[in-house]
Amino acid sequence: GEQVEQRPPHLSVREGDSAIIICTYTDSATAYFSWYKQEAGAGLQLLMSVLSNVDRKEEQGLTVLLNKKDKRLSLNLTAAHPGDSAVYFCAVSPSNYNVLYFGSGTKLTVEP
Amino acid sequence: DMKVTQMPRYLIKRMGENVLLECGQDMSHETMYWYRQDPGLGLQLIYISYDVDSNSEGDIPKGYRVSRKKREHFSLILDSAKTNQTSVYFCASSLSGLGAAEQFFGPGTRLTVL
Repeated sequence: GEQVEQRPPHLSVREGDSAIIICTYTDSATAYFSWYKQEAGAGLQLLMSVLSNVDRKEEQGLTVLLNKKDKRLSLNLTAAHPGDSAVYFCAVSPSNYNVLYFGSGTKLTVEP
Repeated sequence: DMKVTQMPRYLIKRMGENVLLECGQDMSHETMYWYRQDPGLGLQLIYISYDVDSNSEGDIPKGYRVSRKKREHFSLILDSAKTNQTSVYFCASSLSGLGAAEQFFGPGTRLTVL
């Protein structure tokens, strides 16, 4: 089955810096790619998602890049602020879209 | 208001006791899920339900069972809980088909089995 690796497990940046989180996956048939944010004590919330025909998507200070050749997905938070502090998960889905395979999470801390 | 609710939010049980975790959603989503979250492991799928009485095992179903008698409710049952079932449990829901890739999560239930 699909294997998803996420790194780094912990990331600390200063306010205004960028933060990059990377996931790699194994199944070349993976069709759907997403990033979720989990704030302390809460469930996961969908941040952004892309289908496999999209290489780059930008939205409100977030950039998702998809490199299908290397099977790599990244999330770039530009100009991070303390409110971005949370745990971020990548999630990928095969072409039947029934299930999501999650990375192990990255705890991002943005210091003032 | 699109929402997934979970009850209880916190639960402490002794080994061997039965556990019932409840999940509800108000979006009329066909598909519902139960996950557990452990440190460093991300989310692991326990069960998936495609609709009323249409449930399938996920990646780690052993020691768990589920019940879905109404589309808006999905229960997770632990018969004779074990200490290694101490975890945070999340329920999620989604539409079917392409919509299944976008899941809406509840706030989680933190279960401690002593």
